[in-house]
Formats: sequence, C-alpha cells, structure tokens
Amino acid sequence: EPEVTQTPSHQVTQMGQEVILRCVPISNHLYFYWYRQILGQKVEFLVSFYNNEISEKSEIFDDQFSVERPDGSNFTLKIRSTKLEDSAMYFCASSELGQGWDTEAFFGQGTRLTVV
Amino acid sequence: DQQVKQNSPSLSVQEGRISILNCDYTNSMFDYFLWYKKYPAEGPTFLISISSIKDKNEDGRFTVFLNKSAKHLSLHIVPSQPGDSAVYFCAASLPYGQNFVFGPGTRLSVLP
Repeated sequence: EPEVTQTPSHQVTQMGQEVILRCVPISNHLYFYWYRQILGQKVEFLVSFYNNEISEKSEIFDDQFSVERPDGSNFTLKIRSTKLEDSAMYFCASSELGQGWDTEAFFGQGTRLTVV
Repeated sequence: DQQVKQNSPSLSVQEGRISILNCDYTNSMFDYFLWYKKYPAEGPTFLISISSIKDKNEDGRFTVFLNKSAKHLSLHIVPSQPGDSAVYFCAASLPYGQNFVFGPGTRLSVLP
C-alpha cells in the first residue's frame, strides 16, 4: 500500500542551526502538507503546497520556515534558525485532491525534532 | 482558539463493548470531518470521514454521526478491540480550505 515516508525519524539539532526535514509523498498525490505536534498538544497545520507553490499557511509558518519540492518526489521543510520551541513531531501529509474536495490526507510517520 | 474540541482526554472501554468518542466544533462553516487514529511514534492514520451533507457514515466497525445543528460529531466503534487502543483525533476542514483543524485528541484504552 502506498505510504508517505519521512526522514529522518529523529533529528537533534543545536539552537540556531538549520534543519531540513524530508518527505516523499504518495506518488499520484498533488497536495502536500506539513503539520506539527508539540508534545502533549494538538496537531497543528503549518503549510499546504500545490502546483509548486504554497497554497495556504498558518501563523506558525513564519519567515524561519520554507518548503520546497526540489524534484518530482521529495517535499522538504526547512527551518532556517531553529529555536527551542520548534521541538516537536513534524508530520508530512499528502492528498490526491485538495481538502475542499472532501478527501482525506495520508500522513507520514513523523520526524521528531529536538532542539537543544 | 479551539475550533475543534474533544472534551474527553481519555476513555476506557471493555473489549467487545461500544466506544463512543465525541467531538464538538465551533465554526459552522466546516463542511468535512474526519477521524484519525494515532499510535505512539506513528503518524495519524485516516479512519473515517463524513461530509456535512450526511448525518451518518459507516465503515465496518466504525460509524461516524454528525449533528450539524449541535455542531457535534461522534465516532462509534463496535465492538471495541484491544488493537483500537490509540489516540483518536477529530479533524475538520472548510469548503475549499487547504488544511485540517485538529482537535486535541482522546486516548482510548480498550481493556481485555
């Protein structure tokens, strides 16, 4: 069964360093997302991406964050200068259609980011 | 701003009985609702969804009920199995919205 894969599963980084989280969405999906879950809190939307551009982003997704689809398969989230409060599980998701078309998104297993 | 609420952080149910997980929302513009299940160290897994034009959707042991006037939905699991033990998230989206709004989750424990 097709699945969304994320690497690495766990990333530890020093405060102020840049990190890149990688995702391979399901191959025929057109919409890609990043969500995060701070420990003990709810899953929060960060950004959605379609047709090589951001279609929607939350207030969490500030100038420190960027997303890219560098090739036909990968979808990356970059955090330029990590802060302690960026420590969270980051989930990539993809969907065949946009949420407005009543379709579910499929999530990867997550990358646990720890900023020290 | 908690647009999607799951007021029970945890629920324990005996194996074979019915599990009922509840979700309330405040934004009447939401028109699509989903339930995700999440095991520790894994991403959310889609379980079942319902569009606002329906009031019930069933898939095997899982049934979702939607009461639009009360802005309430519930997930029924019958019969509950120990493998159902997980955190269940309710999520909602707006028409043509590009993201889901998740509730805080309910941890379900199914006791053998």
